Amino acid sequence: GAVVSQHPSWVICKSGTSVKIECRSLDFQATTMFWYRQFPKQSLMLMATSNEGSKATYEQGVEKDKFLINHASLTLSTLTVTSAHPEDSSFYICSARRAGTSGSAGELFFGEGSRLTVL
Amino acid sequence: AQSVAQPEDQVNVAEGNPLTVKCTYSVSGNPYLFWYVQYPNRGLQFLLKYITGDNLVKGSYGFEAEFNKSQTSFHLKKPSALVSDSALYFCAVRDMGDDKIIFGKGTRLHILP
Repeated sequence: GAVVSQHPSWVICKSGTSVKIECRSLDFQATTMFWYRQFPKQSLMLMATSNEGSKATYEQGVEKDKFLINHASLTLSTLTVTSAHPEDSSFYICSARRAGTSGSAGELFFGEGSRLTVL
Repeated sequence: AQSVAQPEDQVNVAEGNPLTVKCTYSVSGNPYLFWYVQYPNRGLQFLLKYITGDNLVKGSYGFEAEFNKSQTSFHLKKPSALVSDSALYFCAVRDMGDDKIIFGKGTRLHILP
């Protein structure tokens, strides 16, 4: 199956600093990647849809200046949490859809998630 | 807009017994339906999907799901539960005319030895 690598798995940072999380599709090209946020014992909340070579599409209520998303290549998308605060602490999960499958069901392949703790 | 409901927060089943995890959906067009499983502090693993065709879909680890259009349901099933099946299960839906996949709130499955 397709592999999506997410890095780092765990990150602790001080309030006010910025943190970058990388999402890579290792053995396939992904024109579309999605970023989700998961609170404890809750479902995945879609934050934004990232398309290679274009600006991300953010869901309602998600601050695009707070959560910067870049999809510079067909295998890499990054999420940068800028000026992080304790309320940004969460589990962030990326997913990727294989290129050429957007017209079909195209299941998502998920990274292992990144747990961010802001002190 | 599409939505997914998983009415049970938790399901407890004895090992060896059949299990069912419920899911209902709402879409404006034809649905693509998915089940994923999540283990603690891990990402999601794909189990199975329904696109079209046979209403009974077979997936990984012996799981299957039945698409019921009249009841707008896509319940996950397994004939004989294993302790290792204990995890958090998510149902998800994608409207054929949309790019996004929306997840239910998840159902925690406990298999009792």
